[in-house]
Amino acid sequence: NAGVTQTPKFRVLKTGQSMTLLCAQDMNHEYMYWYRQDPGMGLRLIHYSVGEGTTAKGEVPDGYNVSRLKKQNFLLGLESAAPSQTSVYFCASSSLAGGETQYFGPGTRLLVL
Amino acid sequence: SQQGEEDPQALSIQEGENATMNCSYKTSINNLQWYRQNSGRGLVHLILIRSNEREKHSGRLRVTLDTSKKSSSLLITASRAADTASYFCATARYSGGGADGLTFGKGTHLIIQP
Repeated sequence: NAGVTQTPKFRVLKTGQSMTLLCAQDMNHEYMYWYRQDPGMGLRLIHYSVGEGTTAKGEVPDGYNVSRLKKQNFLLGLESAAPSQTSVYFCASSSLAGGETQYFGPGTRLLVL
Repeated sequence: SQQGEEDPQALSIQEGENATMNCSYKTSINNLQWYRQNSGRGLVHLILIRSNEREKHSGRLRVTLDTSKKSSSLLITASRAADTASYFCATARYSGGGADGLTFGKGTHLIIQP
């Protein structure tokens, strides 16, 4: 099993450009999450999903959109990137509800110039 | 908003020594988890301790939980160079209804000197 995978690993964007980060999991987990990690800070929840076709806002959702059209995939979109969105983005999944063990992907480093 | 806070922020010890790091949190919990993050990599789940447990072991890891003090500690015994990483405690994040994710502290950066 690959676990949780993320695409791409690294990306550079110019301010105003858009992009989509892809997260895929092969563990048949219901719950999926997107976090961002900034230097010197813990991870912060952006959006999450409790099942196929559902999405909900987390702690820092502004500037991001998500979709979960298939159970195994969770997409994070930036419609108009801003320098403040420079960060490392982690996807995670879990078989139980949000407060239980989560399995993380390797991360996507995003630099917005 | 951060629920957990790790202490110390950084810790450097000699290989073979024990490493202890602490986590304090603010509100009541169902469980507390510890994760490890190697430089530039994703987080790896280490151990989960439930609110009705006081101590839990996994290999060289020992976690304690004191709900009266709202604190937890992670002990790594007989440290190895490969233990060099950042360690985070995490608790459930609640908004409106049930838990919707995890909230993390800023982490303890552990360096094992050879």
